[in-house]
Amino acid sequence: RKEVEQDPGPFNVPEGATVAFNCTYSNSASQSFFWYRQDCRKEPKLLMSVYSSGNEDGRFTAQLNRASQYISLLIRDSKLSDSATYLCVVNIGGNKLVFGAGTILRVKS
Amino acid sequence: DAGVIQSPRHEVTEMGQEVTLRCKPISGHDYLFWYRQTMMRGLELLIYFNNNVPIDDSGMPEDRFSAKMPNASFSTLKIQPSEPRDSAVYFCASSSAGGPSSSGELFFGEGSRLTVL
Repeated sequence: RKEVEQDPGPFNVPEGATVAFNCTYSNSASQSFFWYRQDCRKEPKLLMSVYSSGNEDGRFTAQLNRASQYISLLIRDSKLSDSATYLCVVNIGGNKLVFGAGTILRVKS
Repeated sequence: DAGVIQSPRHEVTEMGQEVTLRCKPISGHDYLFWYRQTMMRGLELLIYFNNNVPIDDSGMPEDRFSAKMPNASFSTLKIQPSEPRDSAVYFCASSSAGGPSSSGELFFGEGSRLTVL
C-alpha cells in the first residue's frame, strides 16, 4: 500500500465550480500534513498546511481527519489559473515529506 | 534572493555514462533534499542532508547513486553508470532551520530533466 494515496483525476470542472480532492495516508504516526501545487513542467510549491481543526486560505479549505487518516482540499469558485496538479504531502517523521502522486485539476471556461 | 539553483536543466546521455547533477540551495537553509519524479512513481525522496551531513539515504535506489554535500552551498547527485530507467526529473529542495516538518515548506529548484538512452 502506498504511504499517500490520491485519486489521479483528472477533474474537469467549469469556472466557478467547487471541487474537492481527497487523500489518505497509511502511517498513523504521521505528524503534519500539507498541500502542494505543481504546474505543468514546473516545480512543486507549497499551497497550504493542513491543521487538525481545519483551515482556510481564501478560496481554499483544508481538512484533516486523523481517525480516518484522511485529508481533503476544497476549492471554491474555481479559476482557470487553478488548473494544476495538487499534491498531498505527509510528514512521516523527522523531516521526511512523502508526496502523493497528485490529482490533476483542469478548470475550463 | 535567488531560489534553489539546479544544473543542468536538461541532460541526454547514453546508458553507461556517468551523470552529475548539481544543486545550490537557498543561502542560510540548512536542509537539502534530493527528489526524483516520474510519471509512474511520482515524487520520491532519495536523500536529505542537514548541515551538510546525510541524514537519511534510504530512498537511494542503488549503489549506482551517490550524493555529496561538501559545503553549505553545493550538493551533487551522481549516477554511475546510468541506465534508461533512471530517466526522470531530479529535484533539489532546501528548507530553513527546523526543517520542513513544521512549516512544510520545501523550496524546490526547477529540476534537472534526465534522459538516458
